[in-house]
Order: sequence, then C-alpha cells, then structure tokens
Amino acid sequence: EPEVTQTPSHQVTQMGQEVILRCVPISNHLYFYWYRQILGQKVEFLVSFYNNEISEKSEIFDDQFSVERPDGSNFTLKIRSTKLEDSAMYFCASSPGDTDTQYFGPGTRLTVL
Amino acid sequence: AQSVTQPDIHITVSEGASLELRCNYSYGATPYLFWYVQSPGQGLQLLLKYFSGDTLVQGIKGFEAEFKRSQSSFNLRKPSVHWSDAAEYFCAVDDYKLSFGAGTTVTVRA
Repeated sequence: EPEVTQTPSHQVTQMGQEVILRCVPISNHLYFYWYRQILGQKVEFLVSFYNNEISEKSEIFDDQFSVERPDGSNFTLKIRSTKLEDSAMYFCASSPGDTDTQYFGPGTRLTVL
Repeated sequence: AQSVTQPDIHITVSEGASLELRCNYSYGATPYLFWYVQSPGQGLQLLLKYFSGDTLVQGIKGFEAEFKRSQSSFNLRKPSVHWSDAAEYFCAVDDYKLSFGAGTTVTVRA
C-alpha cells in the first residue's frame, strides 16, 4: 500500500539555523499539507499546497516558513531561522482531492537547541 | 470556524471491556469527520471517516463511529479492547484542512 514518507525522522538544530524537512507524498495525490504537533498539544494545521502554490496557511505559518515542490515527488518545508518554540513533530500529509482523506507520514521530530 | 472537542483527556479501560471516545464538532455545513490513532512515537493512522450516507461507519481494527447530527457528535466505539489499542486518539473535521481535537489517551490495563 502506498504511503507518505518523511526524512529525517529526527533533526536536531541550533537556534537560528535553517532546516529543511522533506516529504514524499503518495504518487497520484494532488494536495499536500504540513501539520505540527508541539509535545503534549494538539495537531495544528500549517499549510496546504496545490498546483504548485499555497492554498491556505495558518497564522503559525509566518515568513520564517516556506514550502516547495522542487520536483515531481518531493514536498519540503523550510524554516529559515529556527526558534526554540519551533521544536515539535512535523507531519506531512497528502490527499487525492481537497476534501478527500489525508494520509499522514510518520513525522519528523525537530529539536531546536 | 470549525472546531472539535474531545471532552476526555485520558481514559483507562480493562482489556476486553468496551470503549467509547467522545467527539463533538462545530461546523456550519455537513461535516467530513475522521478518527485518527497515534501510537507512541508513530504517525497518525486513519481509523475511519464519515463523509455522508450511513451514520454508523466501520473502520479498521474493529472500531466504529456514529455520526449524530442532532448532538453534533461523532463518538468512536470498540466492543472489546485489546492491549494494542493503547494509544492517543484524535477526532478531526475537514474544511479543506483538518482541525483536530486535543486527543484522548487510552490506557489499557490487563
């Protein structure tokens, strides 16, 4: 069964550094998402992406964040200058349509020191 | 705006006993509703979903959920819990993005 994959599984970085989290969505899906879950809190929507542009973003997704689909398979989330409060589990998800089931990857745990 | 409330933060249940997890939603139109499960250190796995039609939906691992529009609820049930069901369970509503509840942690005792 096809699945969403994410790399790395765990990333440790220093405050102020740039990080790129990578995702490979399910191949025939058209909609891509990033969510995050700070330890002990609920899963929060960050951004959705369709047709090579952002469809919707939350207020969390400020100018420090960007997303890109650099080729036909990868979907990346970049944080330009990480802060301590960016420490969280980041989940990528994909879906065939905009109100179809979203399938989640295993997550990348980002730790900012 | 859409929102989801899961009133129970933590539930402890004996193995073999029944389980019911509560979910209430706030949404203006007919909601698309989901239950996901997250085992420790793992990602989110879809248990079941409701889009339309039959209000009782069956999912994986023996779970089912019932959509009740009059109560704005979408409660998850399992008749007989196994130790492997210990996990965190999230209810979510879809409005072109998922809005999740805070989650319910289920502990299964032997």
